[in-house]
Amino acid sequence: DAGVIQSPRHEVTEMGQEVTLRCKPISGHNSLFWYRQTMMRGLELLIYFNNNVPIDDSGMPEDRFSAKMPNASFSTLKIQPSEPRDSAVYFCASTTGGLGPYTFGSGTRLTVV
Amino acid sequence: AQSVSQHNHHVILSEAASLELGCNYSYGGTVNLFWYVQYPGQHLQLLLKYFSGDPLVKGIKGFEAEFIKSKFSFNLRKPSVQWSDTAEYFCAVKGNTPLVFGKGTRLSVIA
Repeated sequence: DAGVIQSPRHEVTEMGQEVTLRCKPISGHNSLFWYRQTMMRGLELLIYFNNNVPIDDSGMPEDRFSAKMPNASFSTLKIQPSEPRDSAVYFCASTTGGLGPYTFGSGTRLTVV
Repeated sequence: AQSVSQHNHHVILSEAASLELGCNYSYGGTVNLFWYVQYPGQHLQLLLKYFSGDPLVKGIKGFEAEFIKSKFSFNLRKPSVQWSDTAEYFCAVKGNTPLVFGKGTRLSVIA
């Protein structure tokens, strides 16, 4: 099992540019989560999907953030336009059913300059 | 909504010392509880979990945690830490929403 796969591992971009983060969940997992980790705020849930359907996006900070899950094996988190305060590590996690522990990807470290 | 409080921001221990990291949560319903570990530069890995049954749960690498319902606590323990335990530790709770994490406790183990 390859685990949850995220790309890219690191992203450095200029303010105002569009950024797309990608996630491939574990095969068979039907729930997918996007978290953001910063020193100040810790781990925050941005959005999650069940069976490819967005369930709760109340954690998405602004309209500049959007997420999609076009199929069971792929999800994207897009920031447009990016700002320096978006700099963080973005983690994707997946699980099966409602009770299983989450498996996390290696994260994408985003730096907006 | 559930929330998690981890009391210690940074703990420094000598090798072979005993460890206890505090975790309290707020949620009135049934909860599932987790401890995750994040080694420097890596992703979160599950240490142990509590769903039901024996409130004392054992995880990987000699870690254990005890669920005390009356205190809304799920403290993490290890009898003797090693240098390789240097990492950040996150307590997380799942009630009727996805996992909510505490702010984390950084553990530094010195020789």
